[in-house]
Amino acid sequence: RKEVEQDPGPFNVPEGATVAFNCTYSNSASQSFFWYRQDCRKEPKLLMSVYSSGNEDGRFTAQLNRASQYISLLIRDSKLSDSATYLCVVNKAGGYNKLIFGAGTRLAVHP
Amino acid sequence: DAMVIQNPRYQVTQFGKPVTLSCSQTLNHNVMYWYQQKSSQAPKLLFHYYDKDFNNEADTPDNFQSRRPNTSFCFLDIRSPGLGDAAMYLCATSREDGSVYEQFFGPGTRLTVL
Repeated sequence: RKEVEQDPGPFNVPEGATVAFNCTYSNSASQSFFWYRQDCRKEPKLLMSVYSSGNEDGRFTAQLNRASQYISLLIRDSKLSDSATYLCVVNKAGGYNKLIFGAGTRLAVHP
Repeated sequence: DAMVIQNPRYQVTQFGKPVTLSCSQTLNHNVMYWYQQKSSQAPKLLFHYYDKDFNNEADTPDNFQSRRPNTSFCFLDIRSPGLGDAAMYLCATSREDGSVYEQFFGPGTRLTVL
């Protein structure tokens, strides 16, 4: 079983749609969770951290369910510029800030 | 302002010909990482430095080596590149003081092996 699992997609949605991505992780001792965004042939960049209470940044909402070891990302009012791969990232418990990346979920927003 | 810089951006080498990729940072972070990312796959951690302490991942082939001469610079050496080593190589940095912080990535070096 992979340490971080995501639906690879692609998710093809029209502008303005709401889309949700899910992620599961295997290590119950993990303490920190992130969503990174990666554009085609570019480096990953932090989109947002994920907190136990859930957090929102503009059109983006992240949720964490520790009991189910499940993380989600909701994007509202999708823009063309949201087209990218979204990587679910979990820290490796006990390491020096070692992060485990999911393979990513690809989003394509069309006009 | 560039924070994590990687050179070259594109590298072509021949099968078996050693190659060195470089990374520098202006963030003064104490941890530096090297990842390998193949198409449609997750970035895979090869090794990292915590200050001068080198930490190799168990499944990183011996063909991959690294050097960190000072806080700002880190190098990835591939001693005998094979066709399977063609990938994007990403350098990242973070600070470490017991909490988990964001990792900042460089733009990557795309390696082609002929």
